[in-house]
Amino acid sequence: GESVGLHLPTLSVQEGDNSIINCAYSNSASDYFIWYKQESGKGPQFIIDIRSNMDKRQGQRVTVLLNKTVKHLSLQIAATQPGDSAVYFCAESLDKLIFGTGTRLQVFP
Amino acid sequence: GAGVSQSPSNKVTEKGKDVELRCDPISGHTALYWYRQRLGQGLEFLIYFQGNSAPDKSGLPSDRFSAERTGESVSTLTIQRTQQEDSAVYLCASSPNWLGQPQHFGDGTRLSIL
Repeated sequence: GESVGLHLPTLSVQEGDNSIINCAYSNSASDYFIWYKQESGKGPQFIIDIRSNMDKRQGQRVTVLLNKTVKHLSLQIAATQPGDSAVYFCAESLDKLIFGTGTRLQVFP
Repeated sequence: GAGVSQSPSNKVTEKGKDVELRCDPISGHTALYWYRQRLGQGLEFLIYFQGNSAPDKSGLPSDRFSAERTGESVSTLTIQRTQQEDSAVYLCASSPNWLGQPQHFGDGTRLSIL
């Protein structure tokens, strides 16, 4: 069946370093992908999206990379800040959004 | 501008009672979604609405769960005869149209069944 999974359940980085959060998806027909950030007690917050006809998209301090050959998605956060600490979810979409279980990003000084 | 609003933010009830959760989507968004999130878990799709109709109810866990939407706006998720395993955060999201667009989430209703 369809599934989206994450390689690292917890990622710890030092403030100022770059963070890379990885995600594997299983449905090669998925054509739309989203990264969300969820802080404790809050709903998921949209970060960035990418369509299957692209392999890279940049936002403010964030970059999403899509490798359709190996069905891999990553989120890069530049100059990680304490406010980036949260759980990050990737989601793939074909007929509906399928979310992964999330990666917790911890930023330490 | 106003985002997705959910009420109540917290609900504690006894096993066997019925509960009703409310979602006010972003104005003009035709698509509305309900998810369940258990502690430390990802989001589990329950149902979505396109306008007032629900083309996909496949995620509803049992016939104790139902949802409706009126006026292409407010939606309610009803859980009848609640069980302890229903304890979770119930999240609502909306988007301008179905598919290919980011969903905007509310902060959820934290449901605790005693």
